[in-house]
Amino acid sequence: DIQMTQSPPSLSASVGDRVTITCRASQSVGGHLNWYQQKPGKAPKLLIYGASTVQSGVPSRFSGSGSGTDFTLIISSLQPDDSATYYCQQTYSTPPLTFGGGTKVEIK
Amino acid sequence: QVQLVQSGAEVKKPGASVTVSCKTSGYTFTHYGIAWVRQAPGQGLEWMGWISTSNGNTVYAREVRGRVSLTTDRSTSTAYMQLGGLTSDDTAVYFCAREYCNSRGCIWGRWFDPWGQGTLVTVSS
Repeated sequence: DIQMTQSPPSLSASVGDRVTITCRASQSVGGHLNWYQQKPGKAPKLLIYGASTVQSGVPSRFSGSGSGTDFTLIISSLQPDDSATYYCQQTYSTPPLTFGGGTKVEIK
Repeated sequence: QVQLVQSGAEVKKPGASVTVSCKTSGYTFTHYGIAWVRQAPGQGLEWMGWISTSNGNTVYAREVRGRVSLTTDRSTSTAYMQLGGLTSDDTAVYFCAREYCNSRGCIWGRWFDPWGQGTLVTVSS
């Protein structure tokens, strides 16, 4: 199975900060990497698919990059509404479709 | 709009089975697969399996294989997840999600969008 490792597990940043979350795969997943945002008590919401394509309706401050084993989610200017846990997911090798352990983003 | 609405919370005893439904609307049911993902309290997301809504083919995660059954009812555009042999480790929120594929085909990429609201299943004696 492909293991997905996210870092950091949590972070605290101020409104307006640039936030970077990384996701590393145990083997290449090509560009088959998605990012989700989950708020407490809610279902995950798709942010980015195919490593870098921003889902329709998602604010432009969210961007994704990477290929192979190393991927990045960037929030260019953190907003209060961005307080959530973020998960990466690989869909290259299935089964299983594996998720990263999550990165909890808090607002200072 | 596309919606996936799941059935309500369940409390089950160890050894019992539970069935969670996922009623879809706003799109052609048979054009997209349905995935199931669960999340134990305070934990991350765990993919459980997938069902093709067009032909009923299924793929299950190793951890639940043999205990889980995914089915669909095309007449009501509803997907079902049945999990048997419940233990306290199965206490979790269970989500269904529409699996969306790259326009060139699923081998070119797939993602989950949207998701159901989640169903809490509590296993307790």
